Amino acid sequence: ELKVEQNPLFLSMQEGKNYTIYCNYSTTSDRLYWYRQDPGKSLESLFVLLSNGAVKQEGRLMASLDTKARLSTLHITAAVHDLSATYFCAVDGDAGGTSYGKLTFGQGTILTVHP
Amino acid sequence: GAVVSQHPSWVICKSGTSVKIECRSLDFQATTMFWYRQFPKQSLMLMATSNEGSKATYEQGVEKDKFLINHASLTLSTLTVTSAHPEDSSFYICSAWTGLTEAFFGQGTRLTVV
Repeated sequence: ELKVEQNPLFLSMQEGKNYTIYCNYSTTSDRLYWYRQDPGKSLESLFVLLSNGAVKQEGRLMASLDTKARLSTLHITAAVHDLSATYFCAVDGDAGGTSYGKLTFGQGTILTVHP
Repeated sequence: GAVVSQHPSWVICKSGTSVKIECRSLDFQATTMFWYRQFPKQSLMLMATSNEGSKATYEQGVEKDKFLINHASLTLSTLTVTSAHPEDSSFYICSAWTGLTEAFFGQGTRLTVV
């Protein structure tokens, strides 16, 4: 069974600070996604990471993927209030890593940014 | 990115009735669509994989007779919650696989059974 674990599950940050969310997974998949979800809304795609060593940045967010360590990180730089949301990582494929599009999600990290 | 439209956005139904949710890929053909369920303050859990022209594949613990999935065309999959009960109240989200690098998500459907 594929397992995806995020930590922390809750993150309270001050504006201007930096922090990292970690996503560990148990299979050999090389496709990992990060999403943002606002209350009552569906998922917004943030990053698509498709190979070992992939690094992508958008604004104050940067995501990386280490398939050998089965680890992805989402780094937040100089947080602002608008980043408050729930962030999910998701791994593509089943335990055998062959069913593309079929996502297993982490538990989600609830991020709150305070003034 | 590709657009996936889900309808309705929210629905309230009486216990014992059935509700149909539609998921459409608007600008691409999706041979595979996925249905997820999300309870409040929880993550998304895959319910089933829907393949065009064939029977859906359900995840362990999901009742196939209760959650009927039909994928009649390359742009439309439907999820029917039959004989709904309050415990079926949840946020249902579909995604459509482009066959390339990612699946795109619909807006979600908030189902409340009273």
